[in-house]
This record gives sequence, C-alpha cells and structure tokens, in this order.
Amino acid sequence: RKEVEQDPGPFNVPEGATVAFNCTYSNSASQSFFWYRQDCRKEPKLLMSVYSSGNEDGRFTAQLNRASQYISLLIRDSKLSDSATYLCVVNNEKLTFGTGTRLTIIP
Amino acid sequence: NAGVTQTPKFRILKIGQSMTLQCTQDMNHNYMYWYRQDPGMGLKLIYYSVGAGITDKGEVPNGYNVSRSTTEDFPLRLELAAPSQTSVYFCASSYRGTSGRGEQFFGPGTRLTVL
Repeated sequence: RKEVEQDPGPFNVPEGATVAFNCTYSNSASQSFFWYRQDCRKEPKLLMSVYSSGNEDGRFTAQLNRASQYISLLIRDSKLSDSATYLCVVNNEKLTFGTGTRLTIIP
Repeated sequence: NAGVTQTPKFRILKIGQSMTLQCTQDMNHNYMYWYRQDPGMGLKLIYYSVGAGITDKGEVPNGYNVSRSTTEDFPLRLELAAPSQTSVYFCASSYRGTSGRGEQFFGPGTRLTVL
C-alpha cells in the first residue's frame, strides 16, 4: 500500500460548483497533514494545513479523520483560478507527497 | 526576498555527463531539500540538510551528491548522468523541520533530460 494515496482525477467541474478530494495515508503515527497546490509546470505551494478539528480558509475546508486515516479538501464556489493539481502531504518525520489530484474548472 | 532560486531552468545532458544543479535561498532557512518529480508521480526526496555542514540521504539518493557549505546554498551534483535521471528537480527550504508548520518553500524547478 502506498504511503499516501490520492485519486489522480482529472476532475472537470463547472465554475461555481463544489468539489471534494480525499486522500488516504497508511502510517497511523503520521503527525501532521497538508494540502499543497501545484500549477502546471510550476512549483508546489502550501495551500493549507489540516487540523484535527477541521479548518476553513475562505472557500476551502480541510478535514482529518485519524480513525479512518484520510484527509479531505472541499472547495466551494469554484473559480477558474482553482484549476491546478492538489497534492496531499503527510508528515512522518519527513514530508511524503501524494501524486496529486488534477482539477479543471470549466467556464 | 527572491525566495528559493534554482539554475539552470532547463538542461539536456548526454549519458555519462556530469552537472551541478544550483539552489540558493535568501530566507535564512536552516532546512533545505532536493526532490525529483517524475510525470504522474509524487515528489521523491533525494537529499536534505538540517544546516550548514550537515546532509542526509532521502528516499532516492543513488546517482546524486550534495554539499552544504553555507546556509544559503545547497547544490545537487549528478555524476554519470543516466536516462533514469530525466525528471524535474525541485529545491525547497523551510524555517524548521517537519515538526514545525511543515511549510516548505520551493524553487521554480530544473527540467533535466538525459539522452
């Protein structure tokens, strides 16, 4: 089993819709969790951390379920500028990156 | 602040050639990392450093070497390039290790092709 698994997509979603991604991780001792965003042919950038109680940043909501070992990212009212690849990242003394979920917002 | 800078942006190497990928950060970060990203794959850690003079192997170190003589610079050396090293290479830095916020700042990447 991979350390971090994501649905690669692609997800093609109309503008204004809500979209959710899940990510599962194999190491139950994982300490912290993040979502990074990577635009085409660019470097990854931190989108948000994921806290146990769940957290929200504008249109973005991240959730963590330690019992089931998955994290999720919800994007509401999606914009064209949200088109990117979203990387699930898990901290086990080093950051382990998922392969990413590709999202395209359609006008 | 320029952040993390990498040179070159692109490079084509012949099998068996050597080269050094340069990485510099001006954020006074102690931690620096080298990753490679292959199409459809996650980033794989090649080497990392927790401070000047200290380096450690990551997940895929074979075929690479690093040095960290200053806080700012963390060059990656490829000896005897092989087609399997065709990839996009990202350098990153962070203020603290992964026990902190976990935010790593990435450079723009170097696209390397070995033919």
